[in-house]
Amino acid sequence: DGGITQSPKYLFRKEGQNVTLSCEQNLNHDAMYWYRQDPGQGLRLIYYSQIVNDFQKGDIAEGYSVSREKKESFPLTVTSAQKNPTAFYLCASSRVAGAGTDTQYFGPGTRLTVL
Amino acid sequence: GQNIDQPTEMTATEGAIVQINCTYQTSGFNGLFWYQQHAGEAPTFLSYNVLDGLEEKGRFSSFLSRSKGYSYLLLKELQMKDSASYLCAALDSNYQLIWGAGTKLIIKP
Repeated sequence: DGGITQSPKYLFRKEGQNVTLSCEQNLNHDAMYWYRQDPGQGLRLIYYSQIVNDFQKGDIAEGYSVSREKKESFPLTVTSAQKNPTAFYLCASSRVAGAGTDTQYFGPGTRLTVL
Repeated sequence: GQNIDQPTEMTATEGAIVQINCTYQTSGFNGLFWYQQHAGEAPTFLSYNVLDGLEEKGRFSSFLSRSKGYSYLLLKELQMKDSASYLCAALDSNYQLIWGAGTKLIIKP
């Protein structure tokens, strides 16, 4: 069945280590997104990609990197430069980007804790 | 700046009706989304409004007033499983979603 998968669900890392969060979708969606969710705050956009081999910075891209080598996959790397990486990370996809009625569908999320 | 306001928390009784309000200020407007998010899980899509008026979908309805920058989500015949956070998000002129912090809805028996 179609959907978005994120792995792992929980991730623990030591401070100073880079870590890569996986996001895969089999919905044949063109656009993919990474958000960060912190308690008491709205979702904040980290990066988004409208097509393969292209991606754009969101509001809080510093300390993060992404790649989009395949339509189905949009991994996010949290680098050691990210000052406060502990958060709930959500990946989403939509059929196209920049279309008002195009709903974003979310993966189950990865909770990253940096010790 | 761009801003979405919604109440932090609301409490309602099983079987009752609750209205969750959302006001928005965005540079341009291309519609408003409501999502439901259970604790520790992904947001799931509930509704999208771009024209003024009320859209009904079963027990859930969503209303939009573009002139007032205002929307609400109406939940009828509340069930315990409706306990969740409800996220309001507005689509700005660049088709970027601006998210509210969410309203945590607590349902009591």
